Amino acid sequence: GAGVSQTPSNKVTEKGKYVELRCDPISGHTALYWYRQSLGQGPEFLIYFQGTGAADDSGLPNDRFFAVRPEGSVSTLKIQRTERGDSAVYLCASSLTLAGGELFFGEGSRLTVL
Amino acid sequence: KQEVTQIPAALSVPEGENLVLNCSFTDSAIYNLQWFRQDPGKGLTSLLLIQSSQREQTSGRLNASLDKSSGRSTLYIAASQPGDSATYLCAVNGQAGTALIFGKGTTLSVSS
Repeated sequence: GAGVSQTPSNKVTEKGKYVELRCDPISGHTALYWYRQSLGQGPEFLIYFQGTGAADDSGLPNDRFFAVRPEGSVSTLKIQRTERGDSAVYLCASSLTLAGGELFFGEGSRLTVL
Repeated sequence: KQEVTQIPAALSVPEGENLVLNCSFTDSAIYNLQWFRQDPGKGLTSLLLIQSSQREQTSGRLNASLDKSSGRSTLYIAASQPGDSATYLCAVNGQAGTALIFGKGTTLSVSS
């Protein structure tokens, strides 16, 4: 596609449920990043991939969060046993390479945990 | 640990004014710096990317400068327009392949 695509755009779930958020990067971009943004804050880094492997997952807040990118393109962010504090906008970005390239962001997935 | 600060947090100006947004970072060993724009409820749009070896970049009415040694960058917007109203975010990364660290942004409002 022309840009980074994220689905769903909005997700409302109940505390304790499992959630998956999907990111489809720009075609040909090898690097993919997940960020989380709360109201009034800048994006907070979660994890990034180079190809299929997670190059740095140091931003994942705890073991309830997990992300995969099995074929080096689409990525899924998985959140188990959701908590109200997980409510935020989850942003995905991609770049052509990891070498300091320009990042292109999707519109985000807004997660609300009731 | 790298920290990015943006001042002011909010700014209101009348249409036509030139303005400067400020960004500072604590660790001067950066690889590049990127300025983004974010409209309410939307994702981020890249405005300008400055490599660590560069001093400035220009795109249309926007000019971004970088002073690595002092840990500062400025985004200059000339002849502001109501359509420039948005939140402007600054981000840096420490080396090639590391994730961008963001500031909290400056929310700009340009009145007609």
